[in-house]
Amino acid sequence: DAKTTQPNSMESNEEEPVHLPCNHSTISGTDYIHWYRQLPSQGPEYVIHGLTSNVNNRMASLAIAEDRKSSTLILHRATLRDAAVYYCILSDAIRDDKIIFGKGTRLHILP
Amino acid sequence: SQTIHQWPATLVQPVGSPLSLECTVEGTSNPNLYWYRQAAGRGLQLLFYSVGIGQISSEVPQNLSASRPQDRQFILSSKKLLLSDSGFYLCAYLHRGFTDTQYFGPGTRLTVL
Repeated sequence: DAKTTQPNSMESNEEEPVHLPCNHSTISGTDYIHWYRQLPSQGPEYVIHGLTSNVNNRMASLAIAEDRKSSTLILHRATLRDAAVYYCILSDAIRDDKIIFGKGTRLHILP
Repeated sequence: SQTIHQWPATLVQPVGSPLSLECTVEGTSNPNLYWYRQAAGRGLQLLFYSVGIGQISSEVPQNLSASRPQDRQFILSSKKLLLSDSGFYLCAYLHRGFTDTQYFGPGTRLTVL
């Protein structure tokens, strides 16, 4: 019972911006939207999270639709080291103690 | 600051042999702890999670079991490994706070032959 939907894979050229979409049409009013990424042969790492407003940090930006039914993770200038699987997760799963990862989006960066 | 340890880093075991993987967390008290498995080329599968000592919730029926003998120790075990148990095993803890963020250990790559 996945609560988010993401494309299986995406490609981008190095040094260009990347927009990774996530649909969460059943999001509830108190759900936070979290993004993690998993580099090859490593565990996932936190990227960013948000509730309603757009968010920026040193790794990425998160743009949240006005109706909150979708969001986009933005990597402003992709590098080869950004090649990873990116997961979008809603926080009600976190507050329920059980955290379920979907299949995520595998991002390929072309040199 | 919190840190999470897992060992061993890699393991090669024959079919039918037992398994014990250990995870420990430092710098936090009463964390939620998680075991995930990732088969080659697949997504993360939640196997077990624990909200306290002796409290284990199982997500997938299988020949694996988990135990939490101490607050910051989480153990994954099997009495008899199957070929299908091969994969990348990850332990994680939940840091509750403003972000409610999960932090993952370095993982154990298990190959069952």
